[in-house]
Amino acid sequence: EPEVTQTPSHQVTQMGQEVILRCVPISNHLYFYWYRQILGQKVEFLVSFYNNEISEKSEIFDDQFSVERPDGSNFTLKIRSTKLEDSAMYFCASRPGAVRNQPQHFGDGTRLSIL
Amino acid sequence: AQSVTQPDIHITVSEGASLELRCNYSYGATPYLFWYVQSPGQGLQLLLKYFSGDTLVQGIKGFEAEFKRSQSSFNLRKPSVHWSDAAEYFCAVSFDSGGGADGLTFGKGTHLIIQP
Repeated sequence: EPEVTQTPSHQVTQMGQEVILRCVPISNHLYFYWYRQILGQKVEFLVSFYNNEISEKSEIFDDQFSVERPDGSNFTLKIRSTKLEDSAMYFCASRPGAVRNQPQHFGDGTRLSIL
Repeated sequence: AQSVTQPDIHITVSEGASLELRCNYSYGATPYLFWYVQSPGQGLQLLLKYFSGDTLVQGIKGFEAEFKRSQSSFNLRKPSVHWSDAAEYFCAVSFDSGGGADGLTFGKGTHLIIQP
């Protein structure tokens, strides 16, 4: 069964550095998402992306975050200047198309540790 | 704003016993409801979903859930749990606002512990 893949599985970065988290959504999917889960807390929506632009973003997704689909297969989340509180598990998800009754498929996540 | 409440942070169940995990959501136009399971260090796996139609939905691994609009609930059930069911369970919701790309709102999760 096709899967959403995320790399790396664990990223360690110094505070203030830029980090890029990578995702390869399922190939025929059109909607892409990033979520974050701080240790011990619930999963929180960050941003959704469709047709090469952001469709929706949460209040967490401030100016230090950006997303990109650089080459038609990858979907990246960039954090420009990382803070300690950015330490979390970041999940990428995708779903097939415009019809709403299609669930999102999640990757296994990237654990981001900010030192 | 939409919200999801999972009132039980931890639940302990004996292997072979029945299970019910509770989920309530805030008012919304047409809710789309999901249950996901997360094993330690793993991603989120979809157990089942409700979009419309029959309010009792069947999922993978023997799980089912019932949508009750009058109670704004979508409780997850399993008649007989197995030790491998020990995990974190998340209820999630999205609403048909017409935008087409709404993110999911998750509950805080219920940690399921299985006693031998």
